[in-house]
Amino acid sequence: GQNIDQPTEMTATEGAIVQINCTYQTSGFNGLFWYQQHAGEAPTFLSYNVLDGLEEKGRFSSFLSRSKGYSYLLLKELQMKDSASYLCAVMDSNYQLIWGAGTKLIIKP
Amino acid sequence: IAGITQAPTSQILAAGRRMTLRCTQDMRHNAMYWYRQDLGLGLRLIHYSNTAGTTGKGEVPDGYSVSRANTDDFPLTLASAVPSQTSVYFCASSDLAEGTDTQYFGPGTRLTVL
Repeated sequence: GQNIDQPTEMTATEGAIVQINCTYQTSGFNGLFWYQQHAGEAPTFLSYNVLDGLEEKGRFSSFLSRSKGYSYLLLKELQMKDSASYLCAVMDSNYQLIWGAGTKLIIKP
Repeated sequence: IAGITQAPTSQILAAGRRMTLRCTQDMRHNAMYWYRQDLGLGLRLIHYSNTAGTTGKGEVPDGYSVSRANTDDFPLTLASAVPSQTSVYFCASSDLAEGTDTQYFGPGTRLTVL
């Protein structure tokens, strides 16, 4: 079966750095996505990785290792507004997104 | 530009009733999707459409139907609602010609079936 694993919940301090991990087992791979979802709102696109390596976008970076079936989302200089759920999703061989359950990130002052 | 709109925002429905959730996008995306999101689970694909006039089944299609008469609209119908269909429903769209096929989401419909 297809599976996406990510931690259920993480806590970090304002101004710090946090890394949210995602491991996957899917039938085929056509890219990995990270989305941010604030409580009661829609998911919004953060990043896309299809090749191994690090993609940096301001305070957010995303890393991919296809051989290890592993990705992480790195958030720097944490702000209170970063409190949200972060969803990892992999596009499989049928070009359908398989979603993880999400990681709830709690930022403390 | 509104992006994707969904209606209604929320709804309480008696079991056995028929309900249609509406979704409209103004980005001229060719592909559209319906997901449900339940606590502790990832988003699950119900139905999708890669282009107007075609639809396909996702992971959890039973009890739901869709139609895609034109590019902009993709309604989801529950023929006879059951309590297990209580969920938050998200519509999304993407441009399959764009390299990453990134999906963009509507604001969601919170549905409660009693």
